[in-house]
Amino acid sequence: EIVLTQSPGTLSLSPGERATLSCRASQNVNSDYLAWYQQNPGQAPRLLIYGASSRATGIPDRFSGSGSGTDFTLTISRLEPEDFAVYYCQQYGSSPFTFGPGTKVDIK
Amino acid sequence: EVQLLESGGGLVQPGGSLRLSCAVSGFTFSSDAMSWVRQAPGKGLEWVSGISGSGDSTYYADSVRGRFTISRDNSKSTLYLQIKSLRAEDTAVYYCAKGGLHYSHFGMDVWGQGTTVIVSS
Repeated sequence: EIVLTQSPGTLSLSPGERATLSCRASQNVNSDYLAWYQQNPGQAPRLLIYGASSRATGIPDRFSGSGSGTDFTLTISRLEPEDFAVYYCQQYGSSPFTFGPGTKVDIK
Repeated sequence: EVQLLESGGGLVQPGGSLRLSCAVSGFTFSSDAMSWVRQAPGKGLEWVSGISGSGDSTYYADSVRGRFTISRDNSKSTLYLQIKSLRAEDTAVYYCAKGGLHYSHFGMDVWGQGTTVIVSS
C-alpha cells in the first residue's frame, strides 16, 4: 500500500500570500496518477489537480501542481478568501487508491 | 449536467447491514470507473472501494475487505455499496465519486453530496 504524507498539517497564511503544500509517497506513484482535492466544511471534496499537474475544469490558474515519483506539490499563488480549506492528495495509480491525511490552510 | 445522488444511509446497530446507492445522470455511466470514499466525523478522507466501468474488476481498502461489496447496474446507471457486520468505526459520510482508479487519468472529477451512516446501539 502506498502511504501518502502531507505537510504541513496546518498552514496559517493571510489572503494574497502564497501557499505551498507537500505530498510525499512511500513509493513511486504509477504514471504520476496523483490528484489534489479541496474540501470546505460540510461540503463534498472538489477536484483541483489530476495527473500531478493538470488543472481540472473550472479551476483558477492560481492553483498549480508539480512533482513526480514520490514528491508532489500543490501551490496556490495568491490566496483568495475562498481558498481557506482542507486539501488532500490522493494516488490513483495502484490499489488501494489512498489519500493523504490533509493540510488545513487557515487564516492567519 | 453530471449528477451523483447517494441514498441508503441511516442509523444501524453494530453487526447490522446497509446497502448504499448512488444514482448517476449526465454521462455514460458504463464508460467510467467509480469509487466510494468515506469521511468519519472530524477526520480525513478514506478511499473505501472502486469498480471498473464494466463491473468486472473491484478493489477494496484493507479496512473493509470482506465486509463491503461494491457493485453496479449499468442498465440503471446506479452504483451500490453493500455493507455488513457494521462497526462503530464505519460511522461516516459516504461519498460516491466518478473515477479515482487507475483506468482514467482524471482523478475523481465528480462527487455526490454524501449519505450518512451511523453505527450505534
